[in-house]
Amino acid sequence: GIQVEQSPPDLILQEGANSTLRCNFSDSVNNLQWFHQNPWGQLINLFYIPSGTKQNGRLSATTVATERYSLLYISSSQTTDSGVYFCAVTGANSKLTFGKGITLSVRP
Amino acid sequence: IAGITQAPTSQILAAGRRMTLRCTQDMRHNAMYWYRQDLGLGLRLIHYSNTAGTTGKGEVPDGYSVSRANTDDFPLTLASAVPSQTSVYFCASSDLPHPPVHEQFFGPGTRLTVL
Repeated sequence: GIQVEQSPPDLILQEGANSTLRCNFSDSVNNLQWFHQNPWGQLINLFYIPSGTKQNGRLSATTVATERYSLLYISSSQTTDSGVYFCAVTGANSKLTFGKGITLSVRP
Repeated sequence: IAGITQAPTSQILAAGRRMTLRCTQDMRHNAMYWYRQDLGLGLRLIHYSNTAGTTGKGEVPDGYSVSRANTDDFPLTLASAVPSQTSVYFCASSDLPHPPVHEQFFGPGTRLTVL
């Protein structure tokens, strides 16, 4: 099946810093989503972005489907951004496959 | 609009007992899914349903069964729980089951501990 790799696995930021989270995938995808899992365990949809660029406030994402990667940008990070960020893709089997996540800690 | 609700929020269960995790969505989505989340492994698909009356196996289906009697409900049953089924279980739904697959939305999760 399709492989999803996220990097870096862990990230520590000072509040106010910017960061880039990367998601690489091994095959063509029909769907790509970014999620934030907050410290309470809730999975929050950030972006549905099979291709192109989207922005939502301090967050933006870009997917280059032909090169099989997606980037999530966090600008002016806040402590509430802490948690785990998951990339998930749907390939030919139509099932959503998750990466192992990136753990972000934003320190005040 | 509640979206997706799951019950119970958490449960401690003795090994060998039967348990049903409940999931209800009010978005009239066709497709529903069950995942388990384990440390270091991310989320893995257990079972799915593309539409009411149909179900399919995901990546880790053994020890679990599902049914889809109607659009809104998608219960997950552990017939005889084992400690390796200790996990956090997430239910999800999406409005189209097949490519182009649309966005999936997740419930709040059920934390299950099997002793």
